Amino acid sequence: DAMVIQNPRYQVTQFGKPVTLSCSQTLNHNVMYWYQQKSSQAPKLLFHYYDKDFNNEADTPDNFQSRRPNTSFCFLDIRSPGLGDAAMYLCATWDRGNYEQYFGPGTRLTVT
Amino acid sequence: AQSVTQLGSHVSVSEGALVLLRCNYSSSVPPYLFWYVQYPNQGLQLLLKYTSAATLVKGINGFEAEFKKSETSFHLTKPSAHMSDAAEYFCAVRGLVGYQKVTFGIGTKLQVIP
Repeated sequence: DAMVIQNPRYQVTQFGKPVTLSCSQTLNHNVMYWYQQKSSQAPKLLFHYYDKDFNNEADTPDNFQSRRPNTSFCFLDIRSPGLGDAAMYLCATWDRGNYEQYFGPGTRLTVT
Repeated sequence: AQSVTQLGSHVSVSEGALVLLRCNYSSSVPPYLFWYVQYPNQGLQLLLKYTSAATLVKGINGFEAEFKKSETSFHLTKPSAHMSDAAEYFCAVRGLVGYQKVTFGIGTKLQVIP
């Protein structure tokens, strides 16, 4: 049973062409996160939501935006992707009762 | 702020040998600690977690970790490596009070040699 779902799994976009990555969860968790993970690096937190409250990391570029229209869905918008934005993007939720993060399978973004 | 240090970005073991992946944390109070595994082109899967209960924590796939406050360590072990254990392993830390983000170590890539 998929719990954190990310679509698409692989996304190719052109330099400068806006792209949106999607995440949905069936867990009804309040907190959702977006991470960027480059090759052989640790996941880097971009932002998180606590319910509808949006929290941006200080070093997240303005090029990255996010929307959370309801508890289940969260979107990552990259307004003008550069070559340096090619990475795996991971969505996750936080289970307050069990002190666990649940990760989706990720979306691998390629910028051409 | 909490942080973790993983010693060794690459570790190689023979199949059947002991696996030991090292993680040290930095925190003013004992935090929550986690080990995750990541296979290529996949998300992170929780192996085990420490949440202030038993100091020896058993996880999935035969892995375990021991929280040692005196050494500020949370090393991951498995008595006998399988080929399927080849993956990247991340140690992570989260503070106890209120909302705090999870901070990951740089990761250790485990190679299992037949």
